[in-house]
Amino acid sequence: GAVVSQHPSRVICKSGTSVKIECRSLDFQATTMFWYRQFPKQSLMLMATSNEGSKATYEQGVEKDKFLINHASLTLSTLTVTSAHPEDSSFYICSARGGGLAGGLGGKNIQYFGAGTRLSVL
Amino acid sequence: AQTVTQSQPEMSVQEAETVTLSCTYDTSESDYYLFWYKQPPSRQMILVIRQEAYKQQNATENRFSVNFQKAAKSFSLKISDSQLGDAAMYFCAYRSARGSNYKLTFGKGTLLTVNP
Repeated sequence: GAVVSQHPSRVICKSGTSVKIECRSLDFQATTMFWYRQFPKQSLMLMATSNEGSKATYEQGVEKDKFLINHASLTLSTLTVTSAHPEDSSFYICSARGGGLAGGLGGKNIQYFGAGTRLSVL
Repeated sequence: AQTVTQSQPEMSVQEAETVTLSCTYDTSESDYYLFWYKQPPSRQMILVIRQEAYKQQNATENRFSVNFQKAAKSFSLKISDSQLGDAAMYFCAYRSARGSNYKLTFGKGTLLTVNP
């Protein structure tokens, strides 16, 4: 299947610093990318949806100024956690869907996930 | 809004046996997609199987098959000949086929343990 690379896999930072997480689609053009947050032993919670070249759409309750999302190209989206605090510690996962033919590699109907980033804020 | 319910927080199965994971969903739409994703301890989400609501035939992928009951809004996953590598958290997910909304709605997950 299609490959989505997420980097870094783990980051530890001090409270008050900003952290950037990258999400890249390696073998298809990602029309849309999604950012999720997952707490231990819980399901994925969608934070925001981003389409290339346009502003991200945030889910209710997600602070736009805290979680900055940039989707500058068809293969790269970034999530920046600004002024991180311990309560921002979590597992963040990105996913990407292509604009291709339904069912095909990078097809529009399938989301491919990155391996996630574990953020620990001290 | 659509909701996805997985009523089994945990399940266990003996190696080589068959197990069925339950999923029900609530929607007023007639056209949509359903997915099962697997999240092993590595936490990498892996697509296991998908079903288009307009298709009556149940999807199969090797040892994985679904029982899609549209009227009952049920979408269960059957794993045959279970293997140790099947141990993971399994998430059922729904996606509308309408418009440009490609968001997935996930259930809370079922943790599957495979006993040797």
